[in-house]
Amino acid sequence: NAGVMQNPRHLVRRRGQEARLRCSPMKGHSHVYWYRQLPEEGLKFMVYLQKENIIDESGMPKERFSAEFPKEGPSILRIQQVVRGDSAAYFCASSPLFGDEAFFGQGTRLTVV
Amino acid sequence: TQLLEQSPQFLSIQEGENLTVYCNSSSVFSSLQWYRQEPGEGPVLLVTVVTGGEVKKLKRLTFQFGDARKDSSLHITAAQPGDTGLYLCAGANAGGTSYGKLTFGQGTILTVHP
Repeated sequence: NAGVMQNPRHLVRRRGQEARLRCSPMKGHSHVYWYRQLPEEGLKFMVYLQKENIIDESGMPKERFSAEFPKEGPSILRIQQVVRGDSAAYFCASSPLFGDEAFFGQGTRLTVV
Repeated sequence: TQLLEQSPQFLSIQEGENLTVYCNSSSVFSSLQWYRQEPGEGPVLLVTVVTGGEVKKLKRLTFQFGDARKDSSLHITAAQPGDTGLYLCAGANAGGTSYGKLTFGQGTILTVHP
């Protein structure tokens, strides 16, 4: 049973470019969460999605950031016009329909140059 | 806004010593999870505690959930160099739109010297 798969593992973007981070949840999991871990900081919640629905995006910056979890395919976290401050590790987690346990992927390390 | 205060932030001990990491909040959580994170990797779930007062053991690790479900502790007995890593506590809430959303503590960086 494969775990949460994130790709790419490492992503380098120039300022102003777009970054797309992908996450495939564990089999049987219908809840996806995105977290950001800035250097020297803890994990911060960004957004919670179920298939085709954004449930809670209270941790998502209002501009440039968006997330989706389509009926088919992985969840996507999209960052438009990246800036240096977006450099961080972005983690995706998934959980089953009725359960609190969240299982994390290995993360995507975004570096903006 | 819910907050989880984790302490200590850094812990450096010798092999064989015991240690306790604390996770405290003024908020009630439906469950609390402990994770361990290696450099360059994602957090790996160690345990979930759900019931107030619950104690769970995982080999040399003992996890406790406070009676009021606001705090938790992780105790490691006879620490080994392989225990070195970042330990994170995270609280979850059931119900409403925050179901399953985790609030993380800042983490404890544990170093066990041989």
